[in-house]
Amino acid sequence: GEDVEQSLFLSVREGDSSVINCTYTDSSSTYLYWYKQEPGAGLQLLTYIFSNMDMKQDQRLTVLLNKKDKHLSLRIADTQTGDSAIYFCALRDNNAGNMLTFGGGTRLMVKP
Amino acid sequence: DTGVSQNPRHKITKRGQNVTFRCDPISEHNRLYWYRQTLGQGPEFLTYFQNEAQLEKSRLLSDRFSAERPKGSFSTLEIQRTEQGDSAMYLCASSLAGQGPYEQYFGPGTRLTVT
Repeated sequence: GEDVEQSLFLSVREGDSSVINCTYTDSSSTYLYWYKQEPGAGLQLLTYIFSNMDMKQDQRLTVLLNKKDKHLSLRIADTQTGDSAIYFCALRDNNAGNMLTFGGGTRLMVKP
Repeated sequence: DTGVSQNPRHKITKRGQNVTFRCDPISEHNRLYWYRQTLGQGPEFLTYFQNEAQLEKSRLLSDRFSAERPKGSFSTLEIQRTEQGDSAMYLCASSLAGQGPYEQYFGPGTRLTVT
């Protein structure tokens, strides 16, 4: 099955850019997603990228996809304290009802 | 659009008891998913419905777990004879079906603690 890996922790200063990375093993997913989870809450969909794209920009968020290296990243520009949360990448399995396989999550801490 | 809702938000139960959770999806969404998230991990897929039909079940879904979506609207997830290892956040998500992005939108989750 799909294996999705993320680094555990990232700390940045307010106003800096954050880059959260994700690597995966199965390249058949057509859509790849980023979700945000705040303490005690469900998952908030941030953005997604279609597998035939290299980059997608959505306001402060930039998603980069390198299919050759099976690497996905999320860049948050001008990071704010409200961005402190856990960020999950997720890959869609087209053969199983579009179920999502998630990474373990990266905890982003933004220092003022 | 009121989003995905889940009830209860928290449930504490003793080992061996049965528990039932409810999920109300976004009204026009015909797909409904259940995931389980343990502390410090990402969510793991349990099962999904398209309308009222349960089409896929993970091997994580033991015989003690059963899910229903009787009229293709809300869904229930029941755990019988709960064990301490069942303690987790149970997340429900809904989406439209198809090959487009059809994003899954998640509810706030039900946190289960088995003592």
